[in-house]
Amino acid sequence: EAGVTQSPTHLIKTRGQQATLRCSPISGHTSVYWYQQALGLGLQFLLWYDEGEERNRGNFPPRFSGRQFPNYSSELNVNALELEDSALYLCASSWGPGVYEQYFGPGTRLTVT
Amino acid sequence: RKEVEQDPGPFNVPEGATVAFNCTYSNSASQSFFWYRQDCRKEPKLLMSVYSSGNEDGRFTAQLNRASQYISLLIRDSKLSDSATYLCVVNLDGGSQGNLIFGKGTKLSVKP
Repeated sequence: EAGVTQSPTHLIKTRGQQATLRCSPISGHTSVYWYQQALGLGLQFLLWYDEGEERNRGNFPPRFSGRQFPNYSSELNVNALELEDSALYLCASSWGPGVYEQYFGPGTRLTVT
Repeated sequence: RKEVEQDPGPFNVPEGATVAFNCTYSNSASQSFFWYRQDCRKEPKLLMSVYSSGNEDGRFTAQLNRASQYISLLIRDSKLSDSATYLCVVNLDGGSQGNLIFGKGTKLSVKP
């Protein structure tokens, strides 16, 4: 069974640009979660989508946004990039909301210069 | 107080040793609990869920103490391949918030 996939693997942008990151969940999973892991910091929750709707968001500014498509894949958009947005962005999926285990993709490493 | 706290380590142990990691969580509404492992510059991988009765998976044993808001992971007969960062993770409110709360991790290094 294929795991969670993310693209691109690496992304280099300059300050002020926009970045788009993509995620495909495990087949059958309806919930997709986005996390940020900055160097030396723990994973911080960004966004949660389930059945096409945003269910919850973490303590991040509105320039972090996303969506979930009818096939349950998801996109994370980061506008007006700042240097401190440089991090590993991880996508996870689960069978549904609630207590289900989350499985992570390999991540997209975003570098803002 | 941080939501999930772990000893950052590093724990440096010889092959074959038994090592235990502890974790405390602050929110008594936490509903489900997990241990993940993360290798350097890789994604976290689910190691095991933690159940109230405690559970074992091969060399790994997880315990939960809800009264003390404390979770533990015991690794027996450590292997070189166990070297990684171990993340204590909780999920709040039965999932109404959806997201997992991660500790910063405990680094384990198993030496020959």
